Amino acid sequence: KQEVTQIPAALSVPEGENLVLNCSFTDSAIYNLQWFRQDPGKGLTSLLLIQSSQREQTSGRLNASLDKSSGRSTLYIAASQPGDSATYLCAGNSGGSNYKLTFGKGTLLTVNP
Amino acid sequence: DADVTQTPRNRITKTGKRIMLECSQTKGHDRMYWYRQDPGLGLQLIYYSFDVKDINKGEISDGYSVSRQAQAKFSLSLESAIPNQTALYFCATSDGVREYFGPGTRLTVT
Repeated sequence: KQEVTQIPAALSVPEGENLVLNCSFTDSAIYNLQWFRQDPGKGLTSLLLIQSSQREQTSGRLNASLDKSSGRSTLYIAASQPGDSATYLCAGNSGGSNYKLTFGKGTLLTVNP
Repeated sequence: DADVTQTPRNRITKTGKRIMLECSQTKGHDRMYWYRQDPGLGLQLIYYSFDVKDINKGEISDGYSVSRQAQAKFSLSLESAIPNQTALYFCATSDGVREYFGPGTRLTVT
């Protein structure tokens, strides 16, 4: 059974700082891994999707990496802004006929002006 | 218009009442999912459906039932609501690669 862990649970940084959010998973036979953003009381927005054949994906100031052998993914946010404040969740999908996501509990990010 | 819509967005109900949460999607995907989110517990899968005739239990299906009325519609029912079903409920659809989430329904059972 896939288990996903996110560290840290909460992170507070000053504006402009570069930061890394961590995600680890137990099943290395992962099909893909997604990073989501969730604003308080709102739905989830998909930020980046890394498929098993890929090592990283980039979108603007965001870069996500996937290392299946070590069971780790990281989300790098460059030059953080107060508008980046949200909860970030990673989710792994074991794929195949039993496609469904297993979520971590999230990292609550606060970027202080 | 949003790709995935959920109704109602907020609902307060009493213990023992039956309640239905509805979800519609315009993505044309076969796969649909219901999750609940509790503070500190992340998202947990309740039920999922890979097509109209295929419905599967997730991690926490007890106390819930679902109906897939059409490719675009997937409803979640609580037959007899209890207070520990107070949570944020999300519907999602997938193309087999990426998932798309609705805005959520905040359900409070008193």
